[in-house]
Formats: sequence, structure tokens, C-alpha cells
Amino acid sequence: KQEVTQIPAALSVPEGENLVLNCSFTDSAIYNLQWFRQDPGKGLTSLLLIQSSQREQTSGRLNASLDKSSGRSTLYIAASQPGDSATYLCAGTTGTASKLTFGTGTRLQVTL
Amino acid sequence: NAGVTQTPKFRILKIGQSMTLQCTQDMNHNYMYWYRQDPGMGLKLIYYSVGAGITDKGEVPNGYNVSRSTTEDFPLRLELAAPSQTSVYFCASSYRSYTEAFFGQGTRLTVV
Repeated sequence: KQEVTQIPAALSVPEGENLVLNCSFTDSAIYNLQWFRQDPGKGLTSLLLIQSSQREQTSGRLNASLDKSSGRSTLYIAASQPGDSATYLCAGTTGTASKLTFGTGTRLQVTL
Repeated sequence: NAGVTQTPKFRILKIGQSMTLQCTQDMNHNYMYWYRQDPGMGLKLIYYSVGAGITDKGEVPNGYNVSRSTTEDFPLRLELAAPSQTSVYFCASSYRSYTEAFFGQGTRLTVV
């Protein structure tokens, strides 16, 4: 059974800092990994999707990597801004029907 | 483009009452999912569907039922509400296997 872990549970950084969020998974037979952003009381917004055949994906200031052999994915946020404050969730897909297994998230606060 | 739409946004139920959470998507996606999110926990899969007329249980299906009569709609039914079903419910969809998942804004349900 796939298990997904995100550490740390919470992170506070000053504006402008580059940061890395970590995601680890137990089943290396992962088809893809998706990073989401969740604002308080809101739904999930998809940030990046990395297929198992890819090593990384980039969108603007975000870069996500996937290393199946080590069971890890990272989300790199460059030049953080207060608007980046949110909870970031990673989720892996294994098996059929693209069912997602979620981590518990990292709550990020970017301070002025 | 509306994406995934959930109604209602909030609901309070009394123990033993029934209700249906509505979910509709306008992206012609084949796959649809229901997840629940409890405080401090990752999202858990309740039910999913890979196409009209096809549904299957996820990780936590007890106390819920679903149907998928059309591609667009995937309602979630609670027959006898219990306090343990107090949660935030998210509907999601994806076009096919291993593609990006899109989420609705959630339904916050409280059972008292």
C-alpha cells in the first residue's frame, strides 16, 4: 500500500528566500506525482504533474523533481513571496484508475 | 470554463439524516473521484468512477454510496449521517489514467 509523507508539517521563511518542500513515498511503482496548493477553506489547485518517465517539471518559480529509486519528490520555490503562503500537498498515483494517495501537507508561511 | 463544481458549500446535518453531495464537471473527463479531508490528515479516497455506469470503492467507502449515470455528474450519497462523517468533501476529475486531476472547492459537512 502506498504511503506518502511530507516533512516538515510547517515551515516559516522570510520573503525572498528559496525553499524546498519534501515528499517521500513507499511504493516506487508510481505512475506520476502531483503537487497541489491549498489555501485555507479552499479547494486544491494543481501546481505540477510529473510523470514517472520524467525527472522534473517547471512552472514559473516552481520546480518539482521526482526520483523513483529513492522514493522522493521535491518542490522548489524560488524567491518566495507572501502570496505563496498556503498548504502544499503532494499525491502519488499507483495502480489503475489514477487514484491519488496524499501526504498530509506542509503549511508554508512566507513573512515580510 | 467552470471545471469541477460542488454543491452545497456548507451543510449541517443531524445524526441519522440523509443528503446528497452534488458534483459536476464540464471538461468531458472520464474519471471522477470523491475524497474526504479530516484535520491533520491527508485526503482519503471514498469512491471513484472510470466512466458512466462504472463505480468502485476507495479506501473509506463505509456509510456512502455513489452513482454515475452521466459523464458529467458524480453525486455522493450519505444515507444515515454519523458524527464521524463530519469532514470536508472534495470531488475531483481527470481525463484518463495518469493525467492531471482537478478538484472542486469542497463541501464542508458537519453532523451534529
